[in-house]
Amino acid sequence: QKEVEQDPGPLSVPEGAIVSLNCTYSNSAFQYFMWYRQYSRKGPELLMYTYSSGNKEDGRFTAQVDKSSKYISLFIRDSQPSDSATYLCAMNSGGYQKVTFGTGTKLQVIP
Amino acid sequence: NAGVTQTPKFRILKIGQSMTLQCTQDMNHNYMYWYRQDPGMGLKLIYYSVGAGITDKGEVPNGYNVSRSTTEDFPLRLELAAPSQTSVYFCASSPRKGALETQYFGPGTRLLVL
Repeated sequence: QKEVEQDPGPLSVPEGAIVSLNCTYSNSAFQYFMWYRQYSRKGPELLMYTYSSGNKEDGRFTAQVDKSSKYISLFIRDSQPSDSATYLCAMNSGGYQKVTFGTGTKLQVIP
Repeated sequence: NAGVTQTPKFRILKIGQSMTLQCTQDMNHNYMYWYRQDPGMGLKLIYYSVGAGITDKGEVPNGYNVSRSTTEDFPLRLELAAPSQTSVYFCASSPRKGALETQYFGPGTRLLVL
């Protein structure tokens, strides 16, 4: 079993839709949860991070962590064509441990 | 402020050839990383460094070597290229403030080994 599982997609939605991207994980020691966005032929860039359980909102983006279910989500409201990218979840247990990345979900927002 | 830069952007190698992938960051970050990204496989850590003169292996170090003589530079060396090393290579750096890891990635080097 992989430490972090992420549906590869592709996920195709119309402009303006609410998008839900998800990851599950198996390591209960993970405490820091991150979402990276990667445009085609570019390096990943950090979008959001959360610590432990709960929600965090930043503009149209909301990150949610449910540690009891070992499940994290990224919601994108009012999706735009410019949101078309691959979204990678990432997590670590803190204490200077390495970051574990998901395989990424490819999102396409159709105008 | 250029962030993390990588050269070359693309390279074709023949089996058995060697090359060095260059990585430079201008953010004075102590932590630097090399990843490879294969389709459907996510980012795999090859090597990392916590400061000049200190390097350590990641998940998939075989066939690669690194050095870190300065804070800014972290080159990755492939000695005997194999088709299995065909991938996209990303360098990243991190200020590592506390336990939260915010990594800044370069644009990547696409390598094809034939």
